[in-house]
Amino acid sequence: QVQLQESGPGLVRPSETLSLTCTVSGYSISGGFYWGWIRQPPGKGLEWIGSAYHTGTTYYNPSLKSRVTISADTSKNQFSLKLDSATAADTAIYYCARDRGYSYSLNFWSQGTLVTVSS
Amino acid sequence: QSALTQPASVSGSPGQSITISCTAYSSDFGDYNYVSWYQQHPDKAPKLIIYDVAQRPSGVSNRFSGSKSGNTASLTISGLQSDDEADYYCNSYTTRSTYVFGTGTKVSVL
Repeated sequence: QVQLQESGPGLVRPSETLSLTCTVSGYSISGGFYWGWIRQPPGKGLEWIGSAYHTGTTYYNPSLKSRVTISADTSKNQFSLKLDSATAADTAIYYCARDRGYSYSLNFWSQGTLVTVSS
Repeated sequence: QSALTQPASVSGSPGQSITISCTAYSSDFGDYNYVSWYQQHPDKAPKLIIYDVAQRPSGVSNRFSGSKSGNTASLTISGLQSDDEADYYCNSYTTRSTYVFGTGTKVSVL
C-alpha cells in the first residue's frame, strides 16, 4: 500500500521560504506517476500547487508558478516543495499526493501538515 | 486559473439521493472528460471517490456515481448515510496540464 508522509517546519517567518518534504513508502517514485502538492487554508477549499515527475518534468499552478519549485529525490524516495517569499496567505494545511494513479486524479494522499506563516 | 463552481451546501435525509453539480465556465477544461471527485471528512485528508467523470476506484461504494452533461459534471450519492456527511470537491485536469479544484460542497444528512 502506498503511503505518503510530509515533514518540515510548522512555522515559517514572512518573506522566508516554506519547505516541505514528502516521503513515499510502498512504491518507488522512479517507477512512474507524478507526485504533487495540494494545500487548504484553514476553513477553506483545496488548491492544487503543482506536480513533478521523477525525471524533472514539472507543472505548476499559474497563480503560484513564480514562487514554487517541486523536485524529486529518487535516492531517498522523496519529493519536496519550496515556496519562496511566504506570506500569511500561504498559511494552510499542505498535502502531498500521488498524481495520475487513476487517469488524471490524485489517488493517494498524505495526512496533511499545518504550516503557519507568522512572525 | 478558473474555478469550478459547486453549490455551497446540499442536504438530504437518510436513504435519499442527492446530487452535487460542478460547472466549468472556461474552455480550459477541453471536453471536460477528466473530472474527479473527492470526499473530505473534518480534519481528514481528501479521498478520491470518482475519476474520469464516472469511474469508481476499487473499494469505493457503488452508492457514489458520477456523470456529465455539457460543461456540468455531477456527483450523485444514493441511499444517503450519516457517514456521507462531509465536504465534496470536484477537480478537473486542464488543457495546460494543470488541475483546478471546485469551490466545494458541504453535504449534511438531516
